[in-house]
Amino acid sequence: QSALTQPPSASGSPGQSVTISCTGTSSDVGGYNYVSWYQHHPGKAPKLMIYEVTKRPSGVPDRFSGSKSGNTASLTVSGLQAEDEADYYCSSYAGSNVVFGGGTKLTVL
Amino acid sequence: EVQLVESGGGLAQPGGSLRLSCVVSGFTFRSYAMCWVRQAPGKGLEWVSGISGSGSGTNYADSVKGRFTISRDSFKNTLSLQMNSLRAEDTAVYYCAKSTAFTVMTTFDYWGQGTLVTVSS
Repeated sequence: QSALTQPPSASGSPGQSVTISCTGTSSDVGGYNYVSWYQHHPGKAPKLMIYEVTKRPSGVPDRFSGSKSGNTASLTVSGLQAEDEADYYCSSYAGSNVVFGGGTKLTVL
Repeated sequence: EVQLVESGGGLAQPGGSLRLSCVVSGFTFRSYAMCWVRQAPGKGLEWVSGISGSGSGTNYADSVKGRFTISRDSFKNTLSLQMNSLRAEDTAVYYCAKSTAFTVMTTFDYWGQGTLVTVSS
């Protein structure tokens, strides 16, 4: 049950695009199309942004998109806005449990 | 409106016990699997335990197996986590989260605001 690997930080200026990676193994990310991404502002409830690799829940801006290649999933935020500054966590189904990434702090410069 | 409200956190001594509760509203509780996820200070999210919509299926992270017990009461719309033999490394904010499915836990679409558990002498 090792955590998925995410870069600890990412940044971009307003209007730019940024991509956050999430690397796992064939037992989690690579083995299932059940990768999710959550946005977390400290002190608040995490918010689902992407599920099943590429799907967006109702209400999530289309500036957020997800993809996967092999054992690595990615979250891309286009047209960065100040309110996008938060911690982002990936997660993957792993058979009988769920594994999360260590989190990436996204800073909007 | 979907709401999940955790309670029961606090200070516990190493080796002690705490029972967390999560009262939900706004959806048919028995139709969805639920889970507990924690975040230790300065750390990332860690899945702790999950339970199916019927309550018949449960799973635990290796780090809590044998010490924590997840349960649910569909009459009270309440998810619980009994935590025994607590360790300092169990110190974290504990979140309850709703799965999008009845059995498998692949995606969590609603989360509570969390309850803080501190294990210290």
